Amino acid sequence: RKEVEQDPGPFNVPEGATVAFNCTYSNSASQSFFWYRQDCRKEPKLLMSVYSSGNEDGRFTAQLNRASQYISLLIRDSKLSDSATYLCVVDMSNNAGNMLTFGGGTRLMVKP
Amino acid sequence: EPEVTQTPSHQVTQMGQEVILRCVPISNHLYFYWYRQILGQKVEFLVSFYNNEISEKSEIFDDQFSVERPDGSNFTLKIRSTKLEDSAMYFCASQRRQGFGIEQYFGPGTRLTVT
Repeated sequence: RKEVEQDPGPFNVPEGATVAFNCTYSNSASQSFFWYRQDCRKEPKLLMSVYSSGNEDGRFTAQLNRASQYISLLIRDSKLSDSATYLCVVDMSNNAGNMLTFGGGTRLMVKP
Repeated sequence: EPEVTQTPSHQVTQMGQEVILRCVPISNHLYFYWYRQILGQKVEFLVSFYNNEISEKSEIFDDQFSVERPDGSNFTLKIRSTKLEDSAMYFCASQRRQGFGIEQYFGPGTRLTVT
């Protein structure tokens, strides 16, 4: 039973493109949502938290749709350095215990 | 910027041996976690730790695993008798406080290879 699902990609885009990733999660009681990025054989690095009202951080915009149990990440004006795997992460603890459940990741390759 | 550190970066061990993976969380953080990632697979939760005790653990975290905070800075994961399938990247994470939307920060990981 998959709990956080993502399209594995890869998404191959040219520099400057806009790209969007989606993620669905199974636990409707989940309260906390995050996007992390992971470079090859490195640790997950927090990109941004995802809030109910949606939030933006520079070129990155995250949206949450609780009714559809769906999270998205939009990257505008892609840079070569954005090439990485993007991990959708959901806290599925029953309390606020913060046990993170990771999706399998979506691989992005930005080409010159 | 404070960061989580882990040692060693790579550990090679023989099946059946005990290993201890070490982590130094961010200094003012109170909640500590271990995750693992088998090559090519997703990151999986192992255990969370607060106030010197385990708060949650997954089904992966069986009797072969234990965690400890032996002093004020280190947080360790021990695997008593390693198996081939324990080969993975082990990540430590720390969190300032509990609650919704509170971020976890990950260390660089220890790559464990069991031969």
